[in-house]
Amino acid sequence: QVQLVQSGAEVKKPGASVKVTCKASGYTFVNYGITWVRQAPGQGLEWMGWISPYNANTNYAQKLQGRVTMTTDTSTSTAYMELRSLRSDDTAVYYCARDYCSSASCYLAWFDPWGQGTLVTVSS
Amino acid sequence: DIQMTQSPSSLSASVGDRVTITCRASQSISIYLNWYQQKPGKAPKLLIYTASSLQSGVPSRFSGSGSGTDFTLTISSLQPEDFATYYCQQSYSIPRTFGQGTKVEV
Repeated sequence: QVQLVQSGAEVKKPGASVKVTCKASGYTFVNYGITWVRQAPGQGLEWMGWISPYNANTNYAQKLQGRVTMTTDTSTSTAYMELRSLRSDDTAVYYCARDYCSSASCYLAWFDPWGQGTLVTVSS
Repeated sequence: DIQMTQSPSSLSASVGDRVTITCRASQSISIYLNWYQQKPGKAPKLLIYTASSLQSGVPSRFSGSGSGTDFTLTISSLQPEDFATYYCQQSYSIPRTFGQGTKVEV
């Protein structure tokens, strides 16, 4: 079955970086995008960005530009999301999800399935 | 950015009730609207894509409708496992944006 499995919880100090791993299985990795979404405690869902495993094209949320990098390793069907210069308001559960959209711009884009989530806590 | 506004933010309902959640976009998004369900401590789950297409495996009591700026998610007969938070999400443009969520409570 299609599955995304994420790395475990992280605790980081302000100013540090975190890299979350998302390993895909059960489908052809390069045929779909990977989207990253985060959810602060008790809050709603925030889209962070998208990457195409096929050609490494990315789209990032404006507010994270310069601090976030999304990459993939097609040999292991794994996606990565690195967030730098962490602040306390980056404390959240980070999700990866398979994105139906596989190109740089498409209207047909929905997220299914999702990884189990990775809690990143930023605290001094 | 396209703003997505859901109403209500929360609602109380009983098993067997018909429940309707509304999502409004700040500009026309055609039919490029998806719905997700999230239970506490769990990842969101896709219910409906492109406004009215039911994702495989999702019970038929869930349905979606709308186009342009106004959309609805309907649960025809609420079941105990449907108590959750529901989010709409537009895919018309980048950045993808979500509604703030609607919590369906007992």
